[in-house]
Amino acid sequence: QKEVEQNSGPLSVPEGAIASLNCTYSDRGSQSFFWYRQYSGKSPELIMFIYSNGDKEDGRFTAQLNKASQYVSLLIRDSQPSDSATYLCAVSTGKLIFGQGTTLQVKP
Amino acid sequence: DAGVIQSPRHEVTEMGQEVTLRCKPISGHDYLFWYRQTMMRGLELLIYFNNNVPIDDSGMPEDRFSAKMPNASFSTLKIQPSEPRDSAVYFCASSLAGQGGGYTFGSGTRLTVV
Repeated sequence: QKEVEQNSGPLSVPEGAIASLNCTYSDRGSQSFFWYRQYSGKSPELIMFIYSNGDKEDGRFTAQLNKASQYVSLLIRDSQPSDSATYLCAVSTGKLIFGQGTTLQVKP
Repeated sequence: DAGVIQSPRHEVTEMGQEVTLRCKPISGHDYLFWYRQTMMRGLELLIYFNNNVPIDDSGMPEDRFSAKMPNASFSTLKIQPSEPRDSAVYFCASSLAGQGGGYTFGSGTRLTVV
């Protein structure tokens, strides 16, 4: 079992819709959870982090964490074509372990 | 702040040659990480340093790979001898303890071994 698992996609949504990206992790000792966005040919950039169970909102982005289910998600509201990228879930137990990433395509 | 600076941006080398990748972390950051990204394996952590000291090198694939951090503002990742399967994008990232684990990545070095 991989330490951090994501559906590779692609996930395709129409412009203006809500995109839902999911991630599961195996280490129950994980303390911090991150979402990175990576455009093609570019480096990953941090967009959200969450430490506690529940929801955390930042603009159009909402991160959700359920430690009992070992599940992290990212919701993107009012999706825009510029949101088209690969979204990487990362989990920290002292070092960041990344999932394979989910490719999101937002179609105009 | 100039961010994390990596060089070169692209490297094409022949199998068997030595390759050295370079990284300058963000000033003041005390953690430095080397990652490798491929389509097949995603983003893999190779090694990380804290205050210039290697902490965990369990991700280094083979003895052909070595990394050093002689001072707080410079690190190298060396592959000797290089092989075609080493072709990947190598990222350096840095962070500051207390930031909660969020890393800032450099632009990466795309390595092609032919």
